[in-house]
Amino acid sequence: DAKTTQPPSMDCAEGRAANLPCNHSTISGNEYVYWYRQIHSQGPQYIIHGLKNNETNEMASLIITEDRKSSTLILPHATLRDTAVYYCIVRVRSNYQLIWGAGTKLIIKP
Amino acid sequence: GAVVSQHPSWVICKSGTSVKIECRSLDFQATTMFWYRQFPKQSLMLMATSNEGSKATYEQGVEKDKFLINHASLTLSTLTVTSAHPEDSSFYICSAEGQGGGYGNQPQHFGDGTRLSIL
Repeated sequence: DAKTTQPPSMDCAEGRAANLPCNHSTISGNEYVYWYRQIHSQGPQYIIHGLKNNETNEMASLIITEDRKSSTLILPHATLRDTAVYYCIVRVRSNYQLIWGAGTKLIIKP
Repeated sequence: GAVVSQHPSWVICKSGTSVKIECRSLDFQATTMFWYRQFPKQSLMLMATSNEGSKATYEQGVEKDKFLINHASLTLSTLTVTSAHPEDSSFYICSAEGQGGGYGNQPQHFGDGTRLSIL
């Protein structure tokens, strides 16, 4: 079973920041949080991952709470092409597999 | 960087046919490759994990004689669906992970998937 909980859907206006929350209250000390997105009928696209510290790359920022029980993915200036299903995944340490939950369907509106 | 190519992207074939899907890491060496299956409006389900030069590890409920996986090199893994039937119709996706993937700190990079339709 997935170790994360995400809202099933969210809307965001084009040009605004999209903040996608994720709860992972049972995360273990050395388990990474990964974010992927999947645009319809395509393979998932890697966005970002982190362990304890906040991370930023050219696509997004990842904010992880100090207790590591939740995180937020931030798309700073959402565009229509960011419409996708976003998956927050805790990569289990025992076998490093990605266990996929239902994700959040993010719709960017003009 | 980190490009994974999957081929073919779409296959339609008759029941009883065997279908081979290729997954290549184009700009990195993939010590581990993964095969997933996705049904409409559902999330990805891991089918098997393969390491170069060794036998694949299949998830519970996945028939290894039905879904043959070969990972003969650090850049290529293949999935063969043997004697495919309509219930095998699905979206098959591969991913690859580069060297140094221990401790979960190496992202998996995904191909664009293969849509398999068995008539």
